[in-house]
Amino acid sequence: DAKTTQPTSMDCAEGRAANLPCNHSTISGNEYVYWYRQIHSQGPQYIIHGLKNNETNEMASLIITEDRKSSTLILPHATLRDTAVYYCIVRVGSNTGKLIFGQGTTLQVKP
Amino acid sequence: EAGVAQSPRYKIIEKRQSVAFWCNPISGHATLYWYQQILGQGPKLLIQFQNNGVVDDSQLPKDRFSAERLKGVDSTLKIQPAKLEDSAVYLCASSLVLRAGGEQFFGPGTRLTVL
Repeated sequence: DAKTTQPTSMDCAEGRAANLPCNHSTISGNEYVYWYRQIHSQGPQYIIHGLKNNETNEMASLIITEDRKSSTLILPHATLRDTAVYYCIVRVGSNTGKLIFGQGTTLQVKP
Repeated sequence: EAGVAQSPRYKIIEKRQSVAFWCNPISGHATLYWYQQILGQGPKLLIQFQNNGVVDDSQLPKDRFSAERLKGVDSTLKIQPAKLEDSAVYLCASSLVLRAGGEQFFGPGTRLTVL
C-alpha cells in the first residue's frame, strides 16, 4: 500500500507556480521520493526524484523537508498541458524497482 | 529513441474469454513491469521482470493471469479466463537498471473492457 498522502485535487492559474504537497511521514532513510504524472489516456511520466537534497530539472523542482516527512513538487510556470494526475511515490527498498502508486493529486490548470 | 510499445491499444471481450497483451520495452532496458490501472485508481504492479527472470509477481492473480518474457526483450501478459473486474488499463513499463534511482518509462497502455 502507498505510504504517501496527497490532496485529491488542486487548481492553478496558467502561468503561475503550482505547488503540490505530499506527506510521507513513515519514510525510511534509504527510500527515495519520486514524482510521476499521468495525463489523460496516457501512461505515467517520470518527473523528478530525490533522497535528501532539493532537486531541480527542466520540468520541476522538488523540495524535501529536513526531516524528510514531507515534500513539495513545484511546477514554476504551469501551462494548460500540465493538467494531469500527479503521483508522489516512496520507492520501496533500495534494490527493487517497485513503484506503489496512491490516488494522486488531480491538478487542473485554468486559463 | 523509441518509447515503450504496447498492443493492442483497445480490446473488448466477454467474460470467460481469453486475452493477451504485448509489450516491447525500450531497447537495452533489462527491467520490465506490467501494471494494472482500474478506473479512478493509481497503477498497481502485477509483475516485474529482470531480463527473463521474475523479480516480483506477488500481486499477480496466478489462477488466471500469466506473463512471460522468454528472450529477455518483449513480453506477453495473458488473462484466461477474464472476469468483469479485469476491466482496466494494462500498462507496461521498462527501466534501464534495477535500483532505486532507475526511472521507469511507461507505454500508452491497453484498455481492456470485459462485458
